[in-house]
Amino acid sequence: GDSVTQMEGPVTLSEEAFLTINCTYTATGYPSLFWYVQYPGEGLQLLLKATKADDKGSNKGFEATYRKETTSFHLEKGSVQVSDSAVYFCALSDQGTYKYIFGTGTRLKVLA
Amino acid sequence: DTAVSQTPKYLVTQMGNDKSIKCEQNLGHDTMYWYKQDSKKFLKIMFSYNNKELIINETVPNRFSPKSPDKAHLNLHINSLELGDSAVYFCASSHLDRETDTQYFGPGTRLTVL
Repeated sequence: GDSVTQMEGPVTLSEEAFLTINCTYTATGYPSLFWYVQYPGEGLQLLLKATKADDKGSNKGFEATYRKETTSFHLEKGSVQVSDSAVYFCALSDQGTYKYIFGTGTRLKVLA
Repeated sequence: DTAVSQTPKYLVTQMGNDKSIKCEQNLGHDTMYWYKQDSKKFLKIMFSYNNKELIINETVPNRFSPKSPDKAHLNLHINSLELGDSAVYFCASSHLDRETDTQYFGPGTRLTVL
């Protein structure tokens, strides 16, 4: 079945450092891909999405490109802030089963 | 003007009790979901309803029973609570259409079974 694999955390960075969180997927069809963010004590909220190959999703300085050839959707940000500290989830939506498949989450901690 | 709301936010109860969690969305979505998040933040889908019809029913104990009285509400009833049911339960809603299938999550209900 479909699956999402993302890098294990926690990831600890200094403020203004470059961030990459790797995400790869397996899917039989052509899923939409998402990054969600969960701040402490809150529910998940959409950070960005891409619906087809070569699409780039971007929001709040974060970017991710849908790479069909490498089945990847890596999250990047050029300069992280303390306020970016959260858990980040990569996900795909399977149009055939209506399911979202979430990765295991990567905790990011940004130090001032 | 909360989009997806859940009640209660915290629920502490004894083993063997029966409890319910309620979810409401005011986004006009046709699909609602229940997820369980464990202590390691792993998120697992439990159920999904589309227009009041059950479309996803994952392998969860039959002590868990969802009920959708209308498109805007999806409640979760849990019988005979066990220690392993302790987790954070999230409700979410979306459309099923590919272009608008972003899921919107509620704030979560932290269930603690003693």
